[in-house]
Amino acid sequence: GQNIDQPTEMTATEGAIVQINCTYQTSGFNGLFWYQQHAGEAPTFLSYNVLDGLEEKGRFSSFLSRSKGYSYLLLKELQMKDSASYLCGSLDSNYQLIWGAGTKLIIKP
Amino acid sequence: DTAVSQTPKYLVTQMGNDKSIKCEQNLGHDTMYWYKQDSKKFLKIMFSYNNKELIINETVPNRFSPKSPDKAHLNLHINSLELGDSAVYFCASSQDRGEGSGFSTDTQYFGPGTRLTVL
Repeated sequence: GQNIDQPTEMTATEGAIVQINCTYQTSGFNGLFWYQQHAGEAPTFLSYNVLDGLEEKGRFSSFLSRSKGYSYLLLKELQMKDSASYLCGSLDSNYQLIWGAGTKLIIKP
Repeated sequence: DTAVSQTPKYLVTQMGNDKSIKCEQNLGHDTMYWYKQDSKKFLKIMFSYNNKELIINETVPNRFSPKSPDKAHLNLHINSLELGDSAVYFCASSQDRGEGSGFSTDTQYFGPGTRLTVL
């Protein structure tokens, strides 16, 4: 079966760094996405990885290890506006996005 | 300008009714999608569609059907609504399905969502 696992909830402090992990098992693999979703809003694209390694975009970085079926999203210099759910999604062999349930990130002052 | 738009934003209806949700994208994308996000925030693909192929998630009941009058629109029709259909439905689009293309074409842009409540 297809499965995406990520923690349900995480808490971090403003200004700190947090890493959100995601493991995936899908029928085929054509890349891994991270999306941010604020409460009551649509998901918005953060990153896409298809090759092993780290992709850095400003305060956000995403890492992929295809051999381990593992990815993480790293958020630095956390701001209150980063409080949101972070969705991990794997693109399967049919180019369908299989989503995890999302990690709710709570930022405290 | 809104890239992906959906109407209505909220939809409250009785069990057994038939309803439609409209989606339009002005990005010139070739592929459109419908997702269902349940109360646990789990986002589940229902359909992906371009002018070549409709891919249906096998778990989606046949009461749900996508209709595409043209490349910029993918509407969702739901017949005989059930209580369990209550959820937020998101439309999305991407340049294409990504086969053989660079990663940037796989990015999906989401509409604002339609909150469906079945009473």
